[in-house]
Amino acid sequence: KAGVTQTPRYLIKTRGQQVTLSCSPISGHRSVSWYQQTPGQGLQFLFEYFSETQRNKGNFPGRFSGRQFSNSRSEMNVSTLELGDSALYLCASSLDGRTTDTQYFGPGTRLTVL
Amino acid sequence: AQRVTQPEKLLSVFKGAPVELKCNYSYSGSPELFWYVQYSRQRLQLLLRHISRESIKGFTADLNKGETSFHLKKPFAQEEDSAMYYCALQVAGNTGKLIFGQGTTLQVKP
Repeated sequence: KAGVTQTPRYLIKTRGQQVTLSCSPISGHRSVSWYQQTPGQGLQFLFEYFSETQRNKGNFPGRFSGRQFSNSRSEMNVSTLELGDSALYLCASSLDGRTTDTQYFGPGTRLTVL
Repeated sequence: AQRVTQPEKLLSVFKGAPVELKCNYSYSGSPELFWYVQYSRQRLQLLLRHISRESIKGFTADLNKGETSFHLKKPFAQEEDSAMYYCALQVAGNTGKLIFGQGTTLQVKP
């Protein structure tokens, strides 16, 4: 099976802009989780989507949003970018997001905000 | 609040030496615990999980609920074990959410 893919791999934006990141899960996986990874805060959970619905959410401001399509592909959007949003954004897919599942991670999208 | 603590940022050992990567968690219930590994230029991948009780690449981890720990151990380190190791926690009902520790870089010297 093909692994989790994320596009684009690298992005450079300026403050105030918005950005959309894409994640294609492993075929048959219905749960997609998003994480932000920074040197200072480490890996932090953003949100999880399942069957086109946001089912779980971390402690991030409303500028961070996402959606999931009927084919389980997911997008994450960050509006009004701030310098502190520079990070590696990882998505992970699993069968249904339960604790008995394994999350499989994508390679990440490296976002740089100037 | 649930939390995972990995007290060592860097652990450096010689090839053939025993390895123990420490992980402590805070959660009053029964957690699901994982170790993820990231080798250089590769994506984050699952190494093992406590519910499986299996040994992967010679690594084992035992859940100690009394000490709220899930330390990762290997009796004889190999150079190819050099990587970043993350301990993670998931709570039942908290779908899709892994809570990660800050990670420990394991450096195995020849």
